[in-house]
Amino acid sequence: NAGVTQTPKFQVLKTGQSMTLQCAQDMNHEYMSWYRQDPGMGLRLIHYSVGAGITDQGEVPNGYNVSRSTTEDFPLRLLSAAPSQTSVYFCASSYSSPAGPVDYYGYTFGSGTRLTVV
Amino acid sequence: KNQVEQSPQSLIILEGKNCTLQCNYTVSPFSNLRWYKQDTGRGPVSLTIMTFSENTKSNGRYTATLDADTKQSSLHITASQLSDSASYICVVSGRVDYKLSFGAGTTVTVRA
Repeated sequence: NAGVTQTPKFQVLKTGQSMTLQCAQDMNHEYMSWYRQDPGMGLRLIHYSVGAGITDQGEVPNGYNVSRSTTEDFPLRLLSAAPSQTSVYFCASSYSSPAGPVDYYGYTFGSGTRLTVV
Repeated sequence: KNQVEQSPQSLIILEGKNCTLQCNYTVSPFSNLRWYKQDTGRGPVSLTIMTFSENTKSNGRYTATLDADTKQSSLHITASQLSDSASYICVVSGRVDYKLSFGAGTTVTVRA
């Protein structure tokens, strides 16, 4: 089925460990982004990409790295996990910036990765 | 300070009843506002989008309204069903930088 695929669904890390959250989409979307969702707060943008080879920081980028070598894939790397990074992470994609004036489709979100750092 | 505030934080309604969720925002100038539905353990799915020139938009039993003058939006669910149990998120886009601002969501529980 077309959409955004995130792996893994669940992960437990020890403080200081590193890992990569995978995100792949098969809709040929140019725009991809990573959000984290914490209780009582709105989704917060970590990093985003407007196309292959182009990435930029969002609202809360510290402790995370991204790369975009292909249109389909947009992995998120945690460099040295900290308990403050315990969260649910969502990858999302769209044809163009979902905040732009002409995009009526909005984001397609993945199902999320629930990460716990102990 | 969050630029999008939603109320109530949660509500419980009986199946078949109606309910209304509120979204107040301070984003200015404003471009568009979306409502998303997020089922437990899933990513959000878009329900409606309204630009600043629109004041109502329907999607089945979901009707969103927008008052750009008072910076308020509401999402009305008619004849609720058990499948409406979810979190509903209001997302506002600014017109200058097109940054998205997310509300914290309203959790709706529909009981039989």
